[in-house]
Amino acid sequence: AQTVTQSQPEMSVQEAETVTLSCTYDTSESDYYLFWYKQPPSRQMILVIRQEAYKQQNATENRFSVNFQKAAKSFSLKISDSQLGDAAMYFCAYRWYSGGGADGLTFGKGTHLIIQP
Amino acid sequence: NAGVTQTPKFRILKIGQSMTLQCTQDMNHNYMYWYRQDPGMGLKLIYYSVGAGITDKGEVPNGYNVSRSTTEDFPLRLELAAPSQTSVYFCASSHSSGAYEQYFGPGTRLTVT
Repeated sequence: AQTVTQSQPEMSVQEAETVTLSCTYDTSESDYYLFWYKQPPSRQMILVIRQEAYKQQNATENRFSVNFQKAAKSFSLKISDSQLGDAAMYFCAYRWYSGGGADGLTFGKGTHLIIQP
Repeated sequence: NAGVTQTPKFRILKIGQSMTLQCTQDMNHNYMYWYRQDPGMGLKLIYYSVGAGITDKGEVPNGYNVSRSTTEDFPLRLELAAPSQTSVYFCASSHSSGAYEQYFGPGTRLTVT
């Protein structure tokens, strides 16, 4: 079974600065997908960014980018120019699937991101 | 589009009672999922469905049942509620597997006392 580990229960950053959230995973598959989800206090799950394992190029979405190291099984999220609205829980997730239709996400325990004004 | 809707938003159950959590999506997605989120934890998959009439167990299926008679609806049934089922329940849907995004509902907070 796949596992996802987020080793930072909480991170704090000054507004406008850059912060990196860590995520490692364990899998024996060579083709898979990785996601970062944001959960603000409203508890709505919001997709931040996704990465296909077969792509060497790191994904970028505006101020959000990832550092994907496939050999190290590492998938960190970098948030540049942090804003107060970025304050939330951030979850790293691994998507597993099979040709037979099995499919789902395995989540880490999350990192609580605090933005200091 | 409403996306993924869940009812109710909150519910308190007594031990041994049963209830059904409703989930509906209007995006014509084939794939649907139920997750639970315990305090301080990530989401864990309870059941999933890859199309009408097809369901399968996820990581934590004990104490739950699902059905998928239509593409739009994916209800989750709790039989004989136990305190261990106190959690926030999320329904999600996706067009397909792989890189396709899973869209989540707003969640149902369930307390069993």
